[in-house]
Amino acid sequence: DAGVIQSPRHEVTEMGQEVTLRCKPISGHDYLFWYRQTMMRGLELLIYFNNNVPIDDSGMPEDRFSAKMPNASFSTLKIQPSEPRDSAVYFCASSWGSGGYYEQYFGPGTRLTVT
Amino acid sequence: AQKITQTQPGMFVQEKEAVTLDCTYDTSDPSYGLFWYKQPSSGEMIFLIYQGSYDQQNATEGRYSLNFQKARKSANLVISASQLGDSAMYFCAMREGESYNTDKLIFGTGTRLQVFP
Repeated sequence: DAGVIQSPRHEVTEMGQEVTLRCKPISGHDYLFWYRQTMMRGLELLIYFNNNVPIDDSGMPEDRFSAKMPNASFSTLKIQPSEPRDSAVYFCASSWGSGGYYEQYFGPGTRLTVT
Repeated sequence: AQKITQTQPGMFVQEKEAVTLDCTYDTSDPSYGLFWYKQPSSGEMIFLIYQGSYDQQNATEGRYSLNFQKARKSANLVISASQLGDSAMYFCAMREGESYNTDKLIFGTGTRLQVFP
């Protein structure tokens, strides 16, 4: 199995630009999670989906962030417009069954730098 | 208030020795779950071990074991016979009980472990 795939691995953009991060979960997994990791705030859950439906987006910092999961094999996290404080590593994770009971499989992350 | 506390920002251990990474948690719910994840320098998070609050025995997975002390609300990770490849960040995480969203994990701030020869 290829594991969770994220693209791009690195993204450098200028403030005000739109950024789209992509994730392909492990086939058969029914939960998908988007996390953000920074030195200041640690690892934060932004949003998660169950069977392609957003369940909890309470961690999304503001309206500039949006996430979609059009099908079971693809999800996007979009930031528009981006700001320097959005610089972080963004992880996608998937699990078979609830992520609170079962192992979450993490992707390699996307390192976003907004200048 | 912190739900998950990892008080050791960094730990050093010599190869082949055992090391304990501390984790304390805070919840009033009797049903919860505790996880440990490893994050090597390559960045990806790797699941290590899980302990449910009702589990009678401490969880073990190979060289990893979880020292679960319910009354103290601690769930320390013990790594036996450390290897150089164990050098990484280690995160403790908790799933709260039925009163909360049980799909979500709350992560601690992590402990950086360095294993030296």
